[in-house]
Amino acid sequence: AQSVTQLGSHVSVSEGALVLLRCNYSSSVPPYLFWYVQYPNQGLQLLLKYTSAATLVKGINGFEAEFKKSETSFHLTKPSAHMSDAAEYFCAVSLKYGNKLVFGAGTILRVKS
Amino acid sequence: DTEVTQTPKHLVMGMTNKKSLKCEQHMGHRAMYWYKQKAKKPPELMFVYSYEKLSINESVPSRFSPECPNSSLLNLHLHALQPEDSALYLCASSQEPGLKTYEQYFGPGTRLTVT
Repeated sequence: AQSVTQLGSHVSVSEGALVLLRCNYSSSVPPYLFWYVQYPNQGLQLLLKYTSAATLVKGINGFEAEFKKSETSFHLTKPSAHMSDAAEYFCAVSLKYGNKLVFGAGTILRVKS
Repeated sequence: DTEVTQTPKHLVMGMTNKKSLKCEQHMGHRAMYWYKQKAKKPPELMFVYSYEKLSINESVPSRFSPECPNSSLLNLHLHALQPEDSALYLCASSQEPGLKTYEQYFGPGTRLTVT
């Protein structure tokens, strides 16, 4: 069965600093991987997705993620944090042929001024 | 337009009430989903509809009854809920997976409180 593990339930960075949110996946077959962001009292917004086309994936709002099969990782990065990036971030995995999405526990990002 | 709408935004109901949540999308998606999200937890899949037919039920109690009247609408009928059912209920839609998996687009959710 597929699963994702997000390391760090809370991450705090200073404004302008690098953002690194960690996600490791477990899947017996090549997975599809997603990062979503959720602002308080809102739904989830797709940041980016990995669908085996390219290992470095660029998303919205300056975020990107790199798929590393050898490390079973799909970490999310952003070179310079903005105050508006403060939110909860979820990594999710899905089988290649299917529509069942499994989410990690989430990481709350705090951006300090 | 990548919008999924949900109504109502907030709902308070007693344990003996019957209410419904509504979800709508106009992206031509043929897969629609209901998720339940408790505070400080990730969304948990409840139901999946594919081409207006129920394809996945994640062992959800029968007090939750989904319905897909057409390809754009998804309802969740609620009856005799318990206080522990209080949560954010999220609807999502996607293209129907065939030879690949597609991203899901989420609505803003309905915040349900059962008293």
